[in-house]
Amino acid sequence: KNEVEQSPQNLTAQEGEFITINCSYSVGISALHWLQQHPGGGIVSLFMLSSGKKKHGRLIATINIQEKHSSLHITASHPRDSAVYICAVQSLNTGNQFYFGTGTSLTVIP
Amino acid sequence: NAGVTQTPKFRILKIGQSMTLQCTQDMNHNYMYWYRQDPGMGLKLIYYSVGAGITDKGEVPNGYNVSRSTTEDFPLRLELAAPSQTSVYFCASSYLQGRNQPQHFGDGTRLSIL
Repeated sequence: KNEVEQSPQNLTAQEGEFITINCSYSVGISALHWLQQHPGGGIVSLFMLSSGKKKHGRLIATINIQEKHSSLHITASHPRDSAVYICAVQSLNTGNQFYFGTGTSLTVIP
Repeated sequence: NAGVTQTPKFRILKIGQSMTLQCTQDMNHNYMYWYRQDPGMGLKLIYYSVGAGITDKGEVPNGYNVSRSTTEDFPLRLELAAPSQTSVYFCASSYLQGRNQPQHFGDGTRLSIL
């Protein structure tokens, strides 16, 4: 059983659509991270959350600690948002340990 | 800013060969990590280091070795390459563990063992 589950695995959207990617986890965490991996392979950190909600441009990340669930929203999606989005959690017991979801592959069609 | 630099970007090895994947960071980060990413799987932690001279095993350490002689460098060594080690390898670093700092990733090394 994976400690982090993401859904959907694949997502295709028309440009301008509102997109939601979900992440559920089963371990105690000190923080949850949303990462973006572009086709070239590089990984960048988008958000780090321990509670509530964060917004950066058209991206919004929320977390519900009680329900062990986080969502990443993209408003007014654009083809340049096409990437793999990865949810990762930082273990509460051993902060060195990160658990990663398998990623959501997003394609935004013009 | 260079950030986290990994070399090489691509490499093909024959079974039984050895090689070192290089990783260096210029952000004075304490923590460094090596991950592998296999198709359809999440990143898996191979080894990590909390500072110079200190390393520890992650989830999938077998077949690998690491060292951390300086804050900047964290090389990953494959001694006897096996086909199961075909993967994309990512090095990452972060400033302070436990204080919820984001990880900074290198661009990855794509390794094929034939």
